[in-house]
Amino acid sequence: GAVVSQHPSWVICKSGTSVKIECRSLDFQATTMFWYRQFPKQSLMLMATSNEGSKATYEQGVEKDKFLINHASLTLSTLTVTSAHPEDSSFYICSASRGGNLYEQYFGPGTRLTVT
Amino acid sequence: SQKIEQNSEALNIQEGKTATLTCNYTNYSPAYLQWYRQDPGRGPVFLLLIRENEKEKRKERLKVTFDTTLKQSLFHITASQPADSATYLCALDNNAGNMLTFGGGTRLMVKP
Repeated sequence: GAVVSQHPSWVICKSGTSVKIECRSLDFQATTMFWYRQFPKQSLMLMATSNEGSKATYEQGVEKDKFLINHASLTLSTLTVTSAHPEDSSFYICSASRGGNLYEQYFGPGTRLTVT
Repeated sequence: SQKIEQNSEALNIQEGKTATLTCNYTNYSPAYLQWYRQDPGRGPVFLLLIRENEKEKRKERLKVTFDTTLKQSLFHITASQPADSATYLCALDNNAGNMLTFGGGTRLMVKP
């Protein structure tokens, strides 16, 4: 149980275009979903936290107008990278939490974004 | 400032030996600490959670210790296998509930 999927697993886009990444909890309801970014050989950096039905909370230094997060249901959150630039190329990983006293986060397999 | 430090150098050990990875933190008072495994190009996989009032936790060949005085957690893999080769990340909560901050990870290489 506690499976999280991401789609697509990798995407290449041209500079200036927008890309949407989906994160789904397949067998549980996720009260909270998290979006991380990971550059090569570096750790995960939290970008934002989203709760179903409310606006996402962004970490300092993350542009909310550039990284649009929508958490429309308890099983789906989307991250849209708008007007992508080569420096946005990274590995984007989502995670989901069931909340309550269960503090484990269940991670998706990640999405490799390359902006040319 | 808050810091979570893991040895950035890869740890190379022989199959069958015990691997010990270290996670040190400063300016944190976490309620719990977690360890994850990450394979290249994949998302992290949850391994173990240990709470501030627990000294040690075990799961199969894994053992985690948590010393809130030393501000350190040790992660042990006994009878290591080549399949254990991966990057291992420690993560601390922010005391507000369910937000995690990750260390930089330590890459473990187990040689047959």
